[in-house]
Amino acid sequence: GAGVSQSPSNKVTEKGKDVELRCDPISGHTALYWYRQSLGQGLEFLIYFQGNSAPDKSGLPSDRFSAERTGGSVSTLTIQRTQQEDSAVYLCASSLARRGLSYNEQFFGPGTRLTVL
Amino acid sequence: DAKTTQPNSMESNEEEPVHLPCNHSTISGTDYIHWYRQLPSQGPEYVIHGLTSNVNNRMASLAIAEDRKSSTLILHRATLRDAAVYYCILRDVMDSGYALNFGKGTSLLVTP
Repeated sequence: GAGVSQSPSNKVTEKGKDVELRCDPISGHTALYWYRQSLGQGLEFLIYFQGNSAPDKSGLPSDRFSAERTGGSVSTLTIQRTQQEDSAVYLCASSLARRGLSYNEQFFGPGTRLTVL
Repeated sequence: DAKTTQPNSMESNEEEPVHLPCNHSTISGTDYIHWYRQLPSQGPEYVIHGLTSNVNNRMASLAIAEDRKSSTLILHRATLRDAAVYYCILRDVMDSGYALNFGKGTSLLVTP
């Protein structure tokens, strides 16, 4: 079966430009997460969608970052006016996220490597 | 989520067992212990999880101390493909929908 897919796999952009990163979660997964990983660092949580609930945006580093999830499936992470410090690998994950279920494994995509020149 | 402490790095020879420790002295009664790993240039992948009893699956074993303040991920025969960063993460069973709190993890080097 298909896993989590992300596109593009690599994106090089110039400082100040806007970028959109796409995530296709596993079908039927109600929860979707965005993380980013800067070079040599651990994963940093950005935003979390759960069903029709309001997203948890507590990890977004600035108002230049936003994300949408359309129809409870595909998600797009948008970074406006990119800065060099935005360069990182952006990872998307999805899960069933049922409360009280100990498992709730998160399945990660391969990531999008963003380079801001 | 309660905090976990892991060594920054460990090294193992191929085909030998590897014991990756994790300390979690402030673990609560409803925290599950999850392990994920991240192979080079890939997203993290689930390895194993447990609550109180030791757990085994096709990838690894998880040994949990009786007081639950520490645990050990055991790779029975390390292969070169097991070289990765291993993350020990605590998750409250009722917070199952929330994001994972990845720390620095342990970088495992496997040598031939």
